[in-house]
Amino acid sequence: QQQVKQSPQSLIVQKGGIPIINCAYENTAFDYFPWYQQFPGKGPALLIAIRPDVSEKKEGRFTISFNKSAKQFSLHIMDSQPGDSATYFCAASMLETSGSRLTFGEGTQLTVNP
Amino acid sequence: GAVVSQHPSRVICKSGTSVKIECRSLDFQATTMFWYRQFPKKSLMLMATSNEGSKATYEQGVEKDKFLINHASLTLSTLTVTSAHPEDSSFYICSARGGIQAFFGQGTRLTVV
Repeated sequence: QQQVKQSPQSLIVQKGGIPIINCAYENTAFDYFPWYQQFPGKGPALLIAIRPDVSEKKEGRFTISFNKSAKQFSLHIMDSQPGDSATYFCAASMLETSGSRLTFGEGTQLTVNP
Repeated sequence: GAVVSQHPSRVICKSGTSVKIECRSLDFQATTMFWYRQFPKKSLMLMATSNEGSKATYEQGVEKDKFLINHASLTLSTLTVTSAHPEDSSFYICSARGGIQAFFGQGTRLTVV
């Protein structure tokens, strides 16, 4: 019940394309859903996060779509650039319990070709 | 944004020795920090939750005597890999919560030879 399932495992798009990464969760107690970007040899960096009271959040070229009834959320990257090539992780947590620990998805390796 | 500094970024040690990794929250106080381990092309695996002034909480399967965690202040947590073996070679990452956001350190690449 603590798992977060992420797909696809890898994704290749052309510059300007819109890669979409999907995540699904089981635990309805999760109330915070962040996305992280990780470059090789570096720690993850927060991209964008959403709470379950909204269905969409946009920050720059990054958009999270959230479907509470389906227990799914996804990351869309608009006008993708080669510099977006990285590994992306979705995560979920219960902010007020469990020490606010994050449960991570398996990761998606994104390649944006020039 | 908030900064978490992790040191060293890279360390090579001999089998049987101990290695200490430091994690500092530079501009905020963190009562809770987290330590993760990451294998190549894999997700982050939570090892333990570090609580300031109290004992760390370890995840199932993580040896507390091998991975010693100390959280002596609101801005510093340390992970010591004791009697390191080649199978301990990995990428270790710390994280600290500032508000509702989790901020990650740069990671430490440990190689045990």
